[in-house]
Amino acid sequence: EPEVTQTPSHQVTQMGQEVILRCVPISNHLYFYWYRQILGQKVEFLVSFYNNEISEKSEIFDDQFSVERPDGSNFTLKIRSTKLEDSAMYFCASTLGSTDTQYFGPGTRLTVL
Amino acid sequence: AQSVTQPDIHITVSEGASLELRCNYSYGATPYLFWYVQSPGQGLQLLLKYFSGDTLVQGIKGFEAEFKRSQSSFNLRKPSVHWSDAAEYFCAVGDSYTGFQKLVFGTGTRLLVSP
Repeated sequence: EPEVTQTPSHQVTQMGQEVILRCVPISNHLYFYWYRQILGQKVEFLVSFYNNEISEKSEIFDDQFSVERPDGSNFTLKIRSTKLEDSAMYFCASTLGSTDTQYFGPGTRLTVL
Repeated sequence: AQSVTQPDIHITVSEGASLELRCNYSYGATPYLFWYVQSPGQGLQLLLKYFSGDTLVQGIKGFEAEFKRSQSSFNLRKPSVHWSDAAEYFCAVGDSYTGFQKLVFGTGTRLLVSP
């Protein structure tokens, strides 16, 4: 069964450093999402992406965040200058249609020191 | 704004006993509703979903959920819990006002299964 994959599984970085989290969505999916879950808290929507542009973003998704689909398979989330409060589990998700079921990857745990 | 409430932070159930996890939502239109399960260190796995039609939906692993519009609820049930069901369960509503669907999650209910 096709699945969403994410790399790395765990990323440790120093405050102020740039990180790129990578996702490979299900191959025929067209809509892509990033969510995050701070430890002990609910999963929160960050951004949705379709046709090479952002379709919606949350208040969390400020200028420090960007997303990109650099080729036909990868979908990346970049944080330009990480803060301590960016420490969280980041989940990628994808769907075939705009309102279809979202399939989630296993997540990347980001730890900012 | 759309919201999901899961009133129980933790629930402990004996193995073999029945389970009901509560979920209430706030959404202006007909909601798309989901239950996801997250095992420790794992991602989110879809258990079941409601888009329209029959208000009782069946999912994987023997779970079912019932959509009750009058109560704005989508409670998850299982008749007999197994030790492997111990995990965190998240209810979510799909917000598709923009034409794209973002999921709004509840805070989750951690299920503990006692022997």
